[in-house]
Amino acid sequence: DSGVTQTPKHLITATGQRVTLRCSPRSGDLSVYWYQQSLDQGLQFLIQYYNGEERAKGNILERFSAQQFPDLHSELNLSSLELGDSALYFCASSASSVHEQFFGPGTRLTVL
Amino acid sequence: QQQVKQSPQSLIVQKGGISIINCAYENTAFDYFPWYQQFPGKGPALLIAIRPDVSEKKEGRFTISFNKSAKQFSLHIMDSQPGDSATYFCAASWYNQGGKLIFGQGTELSVKP
Repeated sequence: DSGVTQTPKHLITATGQRVTLRCSPRSGDLSVYWYQQSLDQGLQFLIQYYNGEERAKGNILERFSAQQFPDLHSELNLSSLELGDSALYFCASSASSVHEQFFGPGTRLTVL
Repeated sequence: QQQVKQSPQSLIVQKGGISIINCAYENTAFDYFPWYQQFPGKGPALLIAIRPDVSEKKEGRFTISFNKSAKQFSLHIMDSQPGDSATYFCAASWYNQGGKLIFGQGTELSVKP
């Protein structure tokens, strides 16, 4: 158990809908990272927050957004969902951006 | 230039043998190279990591070999066990980009009893 929690574990929704994925980092970790894992794209970095502020951005679609709250938990919002958004979404946390990243169990999103 | 290329895609090893997975990178700004192990239905778990000022790091049966001039690094699993059967990902990151990880494509390792 990495200490990073993610909810929900599974999410099934329809095209065009909006969903919110939640992540709670390890106690004391200030950085939260979001990654998408799919069969064709592998593990891809989406976005990073550090102590509430956006620190780095990857190949994140404009339909996707994230934020980190004062209690350091983070949410990834996915809107206008398409079939191709079906994937595993992982959150990782680290004490700072130069330390090891520890991954949560992921949220499996299925868009029908 | 930000890619990390991993090989082989899949690997079958007999119990007790050595598993070797290779990765290559192009961006010389990378300053942290971790390996992650992922079991089906689970998140990636940090296995071992190395920084470019070290040529080798060993933790138990797992060893990273790092060749800075060739821009390559590899994971060696000694005395491979069926419980090591999983997907392994190499990755790279650099401080000035917030530490985001660039992952290789993954290697599916199967250790036969």
